[in-house]
Amino acid sequence: EVQLVESGGGLVQPGGSLRLSCAASGFTFSSYWMSWVRQAPGKGLEWVANIKQDGSEKYYVDSVKGRFTISRDNAKNSLYLQMNSLRAEDTAVYYCARFRATTHFDYWGQGTLVTVSS
Amino acid sequence: EIVLTQSPATLSLSPGERATLSCRASQSVSSYLAWYQQKPGQAPRLLIYDASNRATGIPARFSGSGSGTDFTLTISSLEPEDFAVYYCQQRSKITFGQGTRLEIK
Repeated sequence: EVQLVESGGGLVQPGGSLRLSCAASGFTFSSYWMSWVRQAPGKGLEWVANIKQDGSEKYYVDSVKGRFTISRDNAKNSLYLQMNSLRAEDTAVYYCARFRATTHFDYWGQGTLVTVSS
Repeated sequence: EIVLTQSPATLSLSPGERATLSCRASQSVSSYLAWYQQKPGQAPRLLIYDASNRATGIPARFSGSGSGTDFTLTISSLEPEDFAVYYCQQRSKITFGQGTRLEIK
């Protein structure tokens, strides 16, 4: 059974940093693109970042470029999102998702809430 | 950026009725369109990918159609568990539609 479990969310002040983790199991992690998708409270879904199987390609939504970094450790079956210079508008539930065939997200974690507030 | 516009914003129907949800793209996305269902407090769930392919475990009452810029998600006969928010998504610099809320009439 495919499982994706996020952790690392919490309350952080504007300008602060946070690192999210996603532990994957039930599939060959190193064979798939992976992604982060977020959802602000009461709002819709927003793609944040993608990373290729070997980490050689990474893509970001414009609003987080230069502030967020996606990475992965295939030996640990883990995906990460380093978030720096956080802003109030980054407040959201962050989901880890498997990005299948570079077209759609076929499995999602339960999400971790990040709140940016003073 | 490709903008996806979903309509209607809210759809009020009764169990057993047919639901038709629309997603229109600002430019062609070929057949690379997916649909997701999200219930309160839960993660999204993939329903349809590549416009018309049902994901694993998705009931046959869900179907997708369309290509280019106009897409439709159809639920042939609504079950109580189908009332949720539905999103479409395209693959090119990934964007989602704003969602359609399907509520019980």
